[in-house]
Amino acid sequence: EIVLTQSPATLSLSPGERATLSCRASQSVSSYLAWYQQKPGQAPRLLIYDASNRATGIPARFSGSGSGTDFTLTISSLEPEDFAVYYCQQRSNWPPGYTFGQGTKLEIK
Amino acid sequence: QVQLVESGGGVVQPGGSLRLSCAASGFTFSSYGMHWVRQAPGKGLEWVAFIRYDGSNKYYADSVKGRFTISRDNSKNTLYLQMNSLRAEDTAVYYCAKGAGTGGARFDYWGQGTLVTVSS
Repeated sequence: EIVLTQSPATLSLSPGERATLSCRASQSVSSYLAWYQQKPGQAPRLLIYDASNRATGIPARFSGSGSGTDFTLTISSLEPEDFAVYYCQQRSNWPPGYTFGQGTKLEIK
Repeated sequence: QVQLVESGGGVVQPGGSLRLSCAASGFTFSSYGMHWVRQAPGKGLEWVAFIRYDGSNKYYADSVKGRFTISRDNSKNTLYLQMNSLRAEDTAVYYCAKGAGTGGARFDYWGQGTLVTVSS
């Protein structure tokens, strides 16, 4: 089973700053790497899929990059509404399954 | 617009059973794989199960294999999760999510979730 490890666990930044979130896989994954944002009391929202494609309606300040085992979510200039928990997720061909990272909490400094 | 509405959550004793439903609208339900994902209180997301668009293949997390069954009724645009032999560690908000991409690789729309509490 592929394990996804996100770092840091908590990131404290101010509005307007750049955020860089990391997701590392225990073995090489296909391009099926996605990122989600979750705010308290809400369902997760898809931000990025296939490592670098923005989902429908996602602002351009969100971008994804990476391949193999190392992936990054970048928020170029933080808005107040971006403070939330972010999860990466991958799909495995064999054994068939889907896994999430443990999450990165992005908090206001 | 895509809507997913879960129901069926509640309080159940350890060893008991519960059936969750997810009513889908706003897209061609019979064309997409569907997932169940859960989140224990204060914890992260855990994928639970996936079913292909036609129900021909089903996959489960090891933590629920043999106890949970995912199914769907494409004539009713509804996804189900039958949960048996429930344990305290199954306590969580359960979300249904629409799959997208190859093999439902990503979850592009989510319901609001339904809370399952396993407690005596």
